[in-house]
Amino acid sequence: GQQVMQIPQYQHVQEGEDFTTYCNSSTTLSNIQWYKQRPGGHPVFLIQLVKSGEVKKQKRLTFQFGEAKKNSSLHITATQTTDVGTYFCSSNTGKLIFGQGTTLQVKP
Amino acid sequence: DAGVTQSPTHLIKTRGQQVTLRCSPKSGHDTVSWYQQALGQGPQFIFQYYEEEERQRGNFPDRFSGHQFPNYSSELNVNALLLGDSALYLCASSLRDIQPQHFGDGTRLSIL
Repeated sequence: GQQVMQIPQYQHVQEGEDFTTYCNSSTTLSNIQWYKQRPGGHPVFLIQLVKSGEVKKQKRLTFQFGEAKKNSSLHITATQTTDVGTYFCSSNTGKLIFGQGTTLQVKP
Repeated sequence: DAGVTQSPTHLIKTRGQQVTLRCSPKSGHDTVSWYQQALGQGPQFIFQYYEEEERQRGNFPDRFSGHQFPNYSSELNVNALLLGDSALYLCASSLRDIQPQHFGDGTRLSIL
């Protein structure tokens, strides 16, 4: 079945540094959805990408969907302590297939 | 506008017991999905309900069953509980199946 792999598993950055997490699949994905889960919280939907090569921005967050629709990335510019949490990519085929997530720690 | 609500928030059971978890979807949503999230892992899809029927199922044994009611609320039942069933159980709702899903706060189930 469809699987998505995420790297890195953990990332520690100094506040103000940039952060990127990558999501890869061996099969073509119909879409990619990104979710953020704060410690002790539940996943919260961030964005959905559908088109090949699509790029979307939300303030300091930039999301990309690869040309072959097999990979995606989330880049955060100038991290803040409020960015702390685990970021999951997922493929939505009716059911969400989550990657393992990248846990971001930000040192103030 | 209430979001997804789940009950109870925490539950402690012993091996072999049965448990029922409940979920009310976000207003306007008709599809409910259940996920199991072990500590430090991503959520794993259990099953999805739409129009009171199970539409998709993940790789979980028959001990896991569910139900959706006419008002779109849903229950997750787990029989013959095992220690490995200890996890956060998340309910998510959406309008149809491929739209973004809205998650509840989850039920933390501990098996002793």
